[in-house]
Amino acid sequence: GAGVSQSPSNKVTEKGKDVELRCDPISGHTALYWYRQSLGQGLEFLIYFQGNSAPDKSGLPSDRFSAERTGGSVSTLTIQRTQQEDSAVYLCASSQGQGMDGYTFGSGTRLTVV
Amino acid sequence: AQSVTQLDSQVPVFEEAPVELRCNYSSSVSVYLFWYVQYPNQGLQLLLKYLSGSTLVKGINGFEAEFNKSQTSFHLRKPSVHISDTAEYFCAVTPSGGYQKVTFGTGTKLQVIP
Repeated sequence: GAGVSQSPSNKVTEKGKDVELRCDPISGHTALYWYRQSLGQGLEFLIYFQGNSAPDKSGLPSDRFSAERTGGSVSTLTIQRTQQEDSAVYLCASSQGQGMDGYTFGSGTRLTVV
Repeated sequence: AQSVTQLDSQVPVFEEAPVELRCNYSSSVSVYLFWYVQYPNQGLQLLLKYLSGSTLVKGINGFEAEFNKSQTSFHLRKPSVHISDTAEYFCAVTPSGGYQKVTFGTGTKLQVIP
């Protein structure tokens, strides 16, 4: 596609429920990244995909967080048993190769856990 | 590991005045450096990058940045700001050569005053 697409743009969920966030990267971009942006803080790295594999998932904060990528394209970030501290904007980005040209970001999913 | 410090969380400046947004990094190896801009409710957009070569890099929207290895800085400058430059600006760093995750600063909010 023309840009990185994320859905939904906003999600309100009850504490304890599971949520799925979707990212559709730019066609042909082999690398895909998930970051979390909390109020007043910078971007927190979550996970990196190269193709369908995730060589770096060091940023996933707990085992409630998981992500997958299929067909070298769409990625889904799943948060199980959501907690209030999971409330944030989840940003997806993609790049060609290893990102020397910089990342292209989506507009994010704003997750609110009530 | 690398880190990025953006000392100014907010910078107010009058329209048509010059601005400098400060960024300092820490790394034991050579790095690539980036500046991104985030407009409200949008993802991040790449402004400029330093990979190697000339230490003065020019980006979009009239912004430029200078890499100073001895001071480990990569300050962003614009000689004359416009209202439309009001946004949040993020400095980012990654070790050069091969994949390493990009580390972002906490951001600087630029408020252009008419």
